[in-house]
Amino acid sequence: NAGVTQTPKFHILKTGQSMTLQCAQDMNHGYLSWYRQDPGMGLRRIHYSVAAGITDKGEVPDGYNVSRSNTEDFPLRLESAAPSQTSVYFCASSRQGFSNQPQHFGDGTRLSIL
Amino acid sequence: DQQVKQNSPSLSVQEGRISILNCDYTNSMFDYFLWYKKYPAEGPTFLISISSIKDKNEDGRFTVFLNKSAKHLSLHIVPSQPGDSAVYFCAASSATHQLIWGAGTKLIIKP
Repeated sequence: NAGVTQTPKFHILKTGQSMTLQCAQDMNHGYLSWYRQDPGMGLRRIHYSVAAGITDKGEVPDGYNVSRSNTEDFPLRLESAAPSQTSVYFCASSRQGFSNQPQHFGDGTRLSIL
Repeated sequence: DQQVKQNSPSLSVQEGRISILNCDYTNSMFDYFLWYKKYPAEGPTFLISISSIKDKNEDGRFTVFLNKSAKHLSLHIVPSQPGDSAVYFCAASSATHQLIWGAGTKLIIKP
C-alpha cells in the first residue's frame, strides 16, 4: 500500500536548470495537488488537478507547470529554476477535490537551487 | 496577511500530561478545520477535523475545540506520549475550497 510516492527525495539544481518532480498515487484518487513548504510558513498550494486532463493554478503557481495525462501521475516541472524555489515539495491526493476532505501526502522532495 | 496563525512555534510537555496546541484564524468564512501531524522526512498525516457547526470533536486521545466567536481552535492531546512528538499543522477550509495552513507548532514530549 504505497499511497502517494514522490521522487526524488532530494535534489540540488543550479539556477536556470530544469527539473521534473514526480508524484504517483495508487489509491484511484481523482484529486491531486502540489504544495511547497517554506520555513515559518504554512503549506501553499502550487497547482492542482481534479481529474486526468484537468489542471488549475493554486496560490503560488509562477515558475511551475503541471500535467495530468492519467489518474495516477501528476508531475511538477520547473522550467528554469530560481533560488526562490528552494523548498520542500509535497504532493497530496484525496478522493474528491473538496478542501474539507483529508488529503494523503507523499514524503516530500527537498529541492535546493544554487 | 496570515489568515491562519499558530503563534507558538514550539511547545514542550511532560509525558502523561495534557498537550494543548492553539490556532487562530481571521476569516469568518472558514467552515471546516483540520489538524495534521508531521514527522521529520515524512509528509503530513491527517489527525482530526471539525466542522464550524460543532464546538468539539473527539477521537481517542485527541480532542479539537472550536470557539467561533473568538476565531480560535485548539487541539488537546491527553495523555501525551513520546510518539506524539511531531509538528502539528492547523488548516482551515472555506466554501471556495481553498485550504489555508498555519505555520505549524513543534510539539516535544519529554520523558
